[in-house]
Amino acid sequence: GESVGLHLPTLSVQEGDNSIINCAYSNSASDYFIWYKQESGKGPQFIIDIRSNMDKRQGQRVTVLLNKTVKHLSLQIAATQPGDSAVYFCAERSGGSYIPTFGRGTSLIVHP
Amino acid sequence: GAVVSQHPSRVICKSGTSVKIECRSLDFQATTMFWYRQFPKKSLMLMATSNEGSKATYEQGVEKDKFLINHASLTLSTLTVTSAHPEDSSFYICSAKAGRGNTIYFGEGSWLTVV
Repeated sequence: GESVGLHLPTLSVQEGDNSIINCAYSNSASDYFIWYKQESGKGPQFIIDIRSNMDKRQGQRVTVLLNKTVKHLSLQIAATQPGDSAVYFCAERSGGSYIPTFGRGTSLIVHP
Repeated sequence: GAVVSQHPSRVICKSGTSVKIECRSLDFQATTMFWYRQFPKKSLMLMATSNEGSKATYEQGVEKDKFLINHASLTLSTLTVTSAHPEDSSFYICSAKAGRGNTIYFGEGSWLTVV
């Protein structure tokens, strides 16, 4: 069936580096995408979202890029900090549904 | 910002007993709440969607008689795991959506351990 998946299960970076977390989706009807951060033992925390009529959106230290041609989504974190260490999930919604479908998740490890 | 609170954050229960987990929206009215289950190092799996005042809609494969969901008010939804077994041990997360807008707010999750 349709799914949202991630290329890399684990990403290790040095503090201060930029991080890029990737996500592939297969549902061509997806029109809204969200990135969540989940720290160990906690619930997901909203980071940033983007609609399908956009290809880039920036927040504080984070940027989401959307390439609808290849059904690819990425989250860029600038100047990564140890506090950014967490699992990051992309999620998508489609067809007016407000229920997000979560991808597999990428564990980001930031080394001081 | 909007806050969704879950209680208890951790609970241990004996096999065969039932345990209730509460999900509250603290500063907004949640017309819809969602319950997820998450195994270690895995993604969130949607269990059911509940709308205030109506029966929950369960995802395929989720036993509605085992995972009872009640959304009695606009600020409270409960998940009751009935006749719990060790395989029900998991991290349960709720989320809530206000009447308007796309944003869904997540609770902090509840760890259930069945011994």
